[in-house]
Amino acid sequence: EIQMTQSPSSVSASVGDRVTITCQASQDITNYLIWYQQKPGKAPKFLIYDASNLETGVPSRFSGSGSGTDFTLTISSLQPEDIATYYCQQYDNLPLTFGGGTKVEIK
Amino acid sequence: QVQLVESGGGVFQPGGSLRLSCAASGFIFSNYGMHWVRQAPGKGLEWVAFIRYDGSNSYYADSAKARFSISRDNSKNTVSLQIYGLRPEDTAVYYCAKDRLAAPPGLLDSWGPGTLLTVSS
Repeated sequence: EIQMTQSPSSVSASVGDRVTITCQASQDITNYLIWYQQKPGKAPKFLIYDASNLETGVPSRFSGSGSGTDFTLTISSLQPEDIATYYCQQYDNLPLTFGGGTKVEIK
Repeated sequence: QVQLVESGGGVFQPGGSLRLSCAASGFIFSNYGMHWVRQAPGKGLEWVAFIRYDGSNSYYADSAKARFSISRDNSKNTVSLQIYGLRPEDTAVYYCAKDRLAAPPGLLDSWGPGTLLTVSS
């Protein structure tokens, strides 16, 4: 089973700040990495696939990068509506595995 | 547009069984693999099971292999998750999700709102 380690577990930033979340896989997953956004009481929303491809309709302030074992989600200018928990997930192999989540809050 | 709606959750006693269902619409259901993912209260996401588009193969998390069974009915556009021998640790919101790809499976591009299962005496 591939382990996914996310950091930090929480981040507090001001509106307009740049926020960076990292995700590390326990083995090479090439670019089979997804980022989701989950707001309280809601289902996860698919943001980025194949590590860096933005899903249609997702604001361009979100971006993803990385390959192999190290990946990054960046919010270039944090907005109030971005308050949520963010998860990475690998799909290189079953079982699918998720990172532990990063809670993003407004300072 | 894609719509997934789960049902069947509620409060159940330990040791019992139940069947969760997910009704799909807005896409050609028989072309896509489907997953179940769960989230315990206040915890992260845990993948549970996957079934291929035609039902030919299914896969499970280690935690689900012994007591869970995923199935689908392409004539009714539904996917189900049968859980036997309920345990308190099965308490979670259960989501069904659609897979975008044929291979590799795991690009979950649409999710239902979830159904809450509580296992308690």
